[in-house]
Amino acid sequence: DVKVTQSSRYLVKRTGEKVFLECVQDMDHENMFWYRQDPGLGLRLIYFSYDVKMKEKGDIPEGYSVSREKKERFSLILESASTNQTSMYLCASSLTLAGDSGTDTQYFGPGTRLTVL
Amino acid sequence: LAKTTQPISMDSYEGQEVNITCSHNNIATNDYITWYQQFPSQGPRFIIQGYKTKVTNEVASLFIPADRKSSTLSLPRVSLSDTAVYYCLVGAVGDDKIIFGKGTRLHILP
Repeated sequence: DVKVTQSSRYLVKRTGEKVFLECVQDMDHENMFWYRQDPGLGLRLIYFSYDVKMKEKGDIPEGYSVSREKKERFSLILESASTNQTSMYLCASSLTLAGDSGTDTQYFGPGTRLTVL
Repeated sequence: LAKTTQPISMDSYEGQEVNITCSHNNIATNDYITWYQQFPSQGPRFIIQGYKTKVTNEVASLFIPADRKSSTLSLPRVSLSDTAVYYCLVGAVGDDKIIFGKGTRLHILP
């Protein structure tokens, strides 16, 4: 089974702090994603990466950065946390399929509930 | 990327069959239809994927009409544990992003 782990289930930080959210997958997937989920807004893509040291902006990248130095690890960084970044953060990974095998299935971690005070 | 529309919420009773319909009028030739399920305090998980006609697995069935402008996720004989949010997604192989949207919140009553 694919396993995606996130460093913390719950995190409380103060406004202005630098926050690191870590995600590790154990299935050698090329693609990794960071989402945030807020009530009434569904999942929104922050950043994604399709290879080591590669990153692409998602729909809401402002206030975030990412790092992918190793294939299995994808980090989300809040340079200066703000209260509007209080949210559930979900990491996912996927394997790029070829041909007519269908689209990539994303495997999600359990999420990190971040509260910024 | 094709946009999807699905009901915000649905209620049903244990033992019933539940059908959740998703509209995707702008689906492209290369797009597949995928459904995910998300339980409270967990990340979404893949349920089923299809391209046309009918797909069935141990969890659900997916019905896709010939024009592919909509799809229906069917959950047979639901139980309380099927209470979750269900997301319908449309995308093609190689799409950089998949849009999850807000999903359908399914509430199963005893």
